Amino acid sequence: GAVVSQHPSWVICKSGTSVKIECRSLDFQATTMFWYRQFPKQSLMLMATSNEGSKATYEQGVEKDKFLINHASLTLSTLTVTSAHPEDSSFYICSAVGDERGPSGANVLTFGAGSRLTVL
Amino acid sequence: GQNIDQPTEMTATEGAIVQINCTYQTSGFNGLFWYQQHAGEAPTFLSYNVLDGLEEKGRFSSFLSRSKGYSYLLLKELQMKDSASYLCAPRDSNYQLIWGAGTKLIIKP
Repeated sequence: GAVVSQHPSWVICKSGTSVKIECRSLDFQATTMFWYRQFPKQSLMLMATSNEGSKATYEQGVEKDKFLINHASLTLSTLTVTSAHPEDSSFYICSAVGDERGPSGANVLTFGAGSRLTVL
Repeated sequence: GQNIDQPTEMTATEGAIVQINCTYQTSGFNGLFWYQQHAGEAPTFLSYNVLDGLEEKGRFSSFLSRSKGYSYLLLKELQMKDSASYLCAPRDSNYQLIWGAGTKLIIKP
């Protein structure tokens, strides 16, 4: 089945530094990738949608200059948290969807394993 | 507005059956997904319904009634490893998944 690889799994950084998270689709071409953020015991919050070769579409309230998203190829998208602060500490999850449909007939969203960011 | 309603938490016994209900309101409808999420991990796909009726997949089944804006996930022969959160996610007219907070399922021996 479809596999999405996300790195790093854990990252601890100092306040003011930038952190890059990578998301790769390993065995399919991801026409669209999504970046989510999840705080403990809360629902997934969609941050942005990115399509290969075009600018990401950010959800309302998400700062595009702070959360830089690059979708340079059909298999790679990156999220860079710039000038991170403690309130940016969260679980960041990428997901990808390709053109192929799964056995259920749906374009199933496949998630990466997530990246837990802690900003000191 | 768009809304998902699921119980916050449920408890069941190992070996038993549990049904997790979900009601939703979305702008348009293009299918409904169920995902499982273990604590500290990313969600994994369980099932997809686009037409009314029951979809069976091993120990897990999912039901959809589009006219009622209602779905349920049925888990049979519960195992300890089924302890997780279960997320009901309908897809709206823009093919965006709408996420609720999910139902935390606790399995007791």
